Amino acid sequence: AQSVTQLGSHVSVSEGALVLLRCNYSSSVPPYLFWYVQYPNQGLQLLLKYTTGATLVKGINGFEAEFKKSETSFHLTKPSAHMSDAAEYFCAVTGRYEKLTFGTGTRLTIIP
Amino acid sequence: GAVVSQHPSRVICKSGTSVKIECRSLDFQATTMFWYRQFPKQSLMLMATSNEGSKATYEQGVEKDKFLINHASLTLSTLTVTSAHPEDSSFYICSVRGPGGSSYEQYFGPGTRLTVT
Repeated sequence: AQSVTQLGSHVSVSEGALVLLRCNYSSSVPPYLFWYVQYPNQGLQLLLKYTTGATLVKGINGFEAEFKKSETSFHLTKPSAHMSDAAEYFCAVTGRYEKLTFGTGTRLTIIP
Repeated sequence: GAVVSQHPSRVICKSGTSVKIECRSLDFQATTMFWYRQFPKQSLMLMATSNEGSKATYEQGVEKDKFLINHASLTLSTLTVTSAHPEDSSFYICSVRGPGGSSYEQYFGPGTRLTVT
């Protein structure tokens, strides 16, 4: 069984400030972890993914996430927020041939 | 990543009618596709897994007679909402399982907004 917990359904940060979106997971098999971004009335866009290997993963638009097995976490960060980062962010977990399980999402608001 | 299209992007239908949504994998043959629905301000909920040439596997609580899924070719899966009601209004998103070594990945379509009046 797999599950994802995203702490904070809403996060607000000032433009230029650090973005930190939290994700903790539970998985009975080696996890594959993903962060997706969704803009209004659009599908999901993959930001980054962790499969195996390097635990610090860099993605698009300046985002990165670190897989910490001991903490079962995969938090998403960006050093400097931009207005265009305002969107809904979903963390997801799967295992090979498993279903993709999503967190409940975090709405990121950027304050000018 | 793979390119997945959905058609239509937006549809309005009257209560009691049926509506079909198409999901196409444009750049590789997809043996497995998935259908999700998303209510406003909520996460994606898996409705069913669609395997080419066989019956779809529905998640618990999803009415298979209401949400008909057909995966007749390796590039096309369709979701038909039969006898639609206002409570079926939602955002429907399909995804495609990646090929071979990328089978743990899913590539998502742009979604279809269904409004039932």
